Amino acid sequence: DAGVIQSPRHEVTEMGQEVTLRCKPISGHDYLFWYRQTMMRGLELLIYFNNNVPIDDSGMPEDRFSAKMPNASFSTLKIQPSEPRDSAVYFCASSSDRDLREQYFGPGTRLTVT
Amino acid sequence: GENVEQHPSTLSVQEGDSAVIKCTYSDSASNYFPWYKQELGKGPQLIIDIRSNVGEKKDQRIAVTLNKTAKHFSLHITETQPEDSAVYFCAASIMEGYSTLTFGKGTMLLVSP
Repeated sequence: DAGVIQSPRHEVTEMGQEVTLRCKPISGHDYLFWYRQTMMRGLELLIYFNNNVPIDDSGMPEDRFSAKMPNASFSTLKIQPSEPRDSAVYFCASSSDRDLREQYFGPGTRLTVT
Repeated sequence: GENVEQHPSTLSVQEGDSAVIKCTYSDSASNYFPWYKQELGKGPQLIIDIRSNVGEKKDQRIAVTLNKTAKHFSLHITETQPEDSAVYFCAASIMEGYSTLTFGKGTMLLVSP
């Protein structure tokens, strides 16, 4: 299995632009998680889905952030408009229905907003 | 909600020495405690976990201990090697239901040859 796939690996954009991060979970996994990692705040859970349905989005920092999962093999995290404080590494992770806590992380997308 | 504190934030050891990373948690209902290793440029990877029905678990050179009364758990790495250099995260969760992982801030371990 290829593991969790994320794209792009690096994204540099200007403040005010729309940013879309993409994730393909491991085939057969029913849970998908989006995390943000910064030096100051560590790993923060933004939102997670079960069977393509958002279960908890309480970690989404504000309305500029949105996430979708149109099917079992694809999810997006969108930031519109982006701000410099959104600069971070964004991780997608997936897990099976058997145990949502045994999570497999993708390589991450390093986002820089100038 | 759950709060996980992790110490130290950085740890430097010589190759062959042991390394210990400690975490405390706040929610007495938590009963699942995984440890993740994050190498440079990669996502965190689960290396070992412990559930509240046991006090210790070993896997080759790594071991985890859990003290539920004191609400703390630790990662022990023996005979450290340069390839152990990475950031280590502890986490806590409740096994039942939709409870997700709450992570500590991480410990950067540097093993010098």
